[in-house]
Amino acid sequence: AQRVTQPEKLLSVFKGAPVELKCNYSYSGSPELFWYVQYSRQRLQLLLRHISRESIKGFTADLNKGETSFHLKKPFAQEEDSAMYYCASDSNYQLIWGAGTKLIIKP
Amino acid sequence: NAGVMQNPRHLVRRRGQEARLRCSPMKGHSHVYWYRQLPEEGLKFMVYLQKENIIDESGMPKERFSAEFPKEGPSILRIQQVVRGDSAAYFCASSTSKDGSNSEQFFGPGTRLTVL
Repeated sequence: AQRVTQPEKLLSVFKGAPVELKCNYSYSGSPELFWYVQYSRQRLQLLLRHISRESIKGFTADLNKGETSFHLKKPFAQEEDSAMYYCASDSNYQLIWGAGTKLIIKP
Repeated sequence: NAGVMQNPRHLVRRRGQEARLRCSPMKGHSHVYWYRQLPEEGLKFMVYLQKENIIDESGMPKERFSAEFPKEGPSILRIQQVVRGDSAAYFCASSTSKDGSNSEQFFGPGTRLTVL
């Protein structure tokens, strides 16, 4: 079965430090991968998807098929980045979700 | 566009009662997805619906759970004879594309169900 693993439940870094949120997937085909974010008291929203190859709010994520990873990175964390981050992989029209990582940016 | 609407935001039920969760998709969206999130876990797919059709209900428990998306009105997720294990956050998402996986899913704020 397709799985998405986010090994860290909680990640705490200082403002200005680099951030890397890990995501690994298991899928034999060509997956489409997403990062969703949920800020405090807001609804879940799409942050970025690998096919668009965009940088959103300074975040990037590269699909590494050899390592089956899709880690989310930002070189300099900002306090407003504090949120829950979810990695997801598509399976037809279903999204398979990781358990999420809570990112806390310390001032 | 008000976005995906879900109501109620919080629902408390006693064991054995019925729970009805409503989801109004974004304007122009005809594809609805329901997810369940148990504490400390990620979202789990339950069901995918289009207007008047259930496309995939493979993630939904076979008993007590049902979903519909009528021609008029919101999508309804119905849980009969609730048990404590049904306590969770239930999220609805909607999209435009026929192939939902290539179209962004927009999420509602969720309904938090508590079963006493």
